[in-house]
Amino acid sequence: AQSVTQLDSQVPVFEEAPVELRCNYSSSVSVYLFWYVQYPNQGLQLLLKYLSGSTLVKGINGFEAEFNKSQTSFHLRKPSVHISDTAEYFCAVTPPGAGSYQLTFGKGTKLSVIP
Amino acid sequence: GAGVSQSPSNKVTEKGKDVELRCDPISGHTALYWYRQSLGQGLEFLIYFQGNSAPDKSGLPSDRFSAERTGGSVSTLTIQRTQQEDSAVYLCASKSSDSSYEQYFGPGTRLTVT
Repeated sequence: AQSVTQLDSQVPVFEEAPVELRCNYSSSVSVYLFWYVQYPNQGLQLLLKYLSGSTLVKGINGFEAEFNKSQTSFHLRKPSVHISDTAEYFCAVTPPGAGSYQLTFGKGTKLSVIP
Repeated sequence: GAGVSQSPSNKVTEKGKDVELRCDPISGHTALYWYRQSLGQGLEFLIYFQGNSAPDKSGLPSDRFSAERTGGSVSTLTIQRTQQEDSAVYLCASKSSDSSYEQYFGPGTRLTVT
């Protein structure tokens, strides 16, 4: 079984400041990792994913994340946020291999960008 | 192209009534998932359909919940004898069988049980 912990439920940050949203996971097997964003009254949109290879993954909207196996972390970063980045962000994992590839999500981090 | 659509967008029902929530996946996607998003619980997996295989129902919280997928396309999630704790946003996602694990989510149905 897997679990995901997002350490901050809410993160306020000023516009054009950098931001880091933290995600740690627990799993007895290797996992694939994802960050999704949910804008108000919308579904989830994939920001980026880590399957294998380079541990630094770049996604849409200027976001990036780094997979750290020893720390079991997959923190999301953006060097300069915009008002439009205000949304809820979810970290998720799924085990590779055969199966349903259901996602196990963290409880989400609400990012509020302050003008 | 069209994304995943869900209907209704909002549903208010009285405790004890049955409800049906509909999901139209992306055309050609063979995998379909239902998740529940509730305050305090985050996003929880409910059920998974892949082609003609038997569904993975391991996430359904009780036998009041059921789902079917007709013709390998549209899916309906049914909740019988709704309870107040069933109030949540129900999200549907679909995936192409040969994609890199990317699930495409619909906008969700917000269910309120009064």
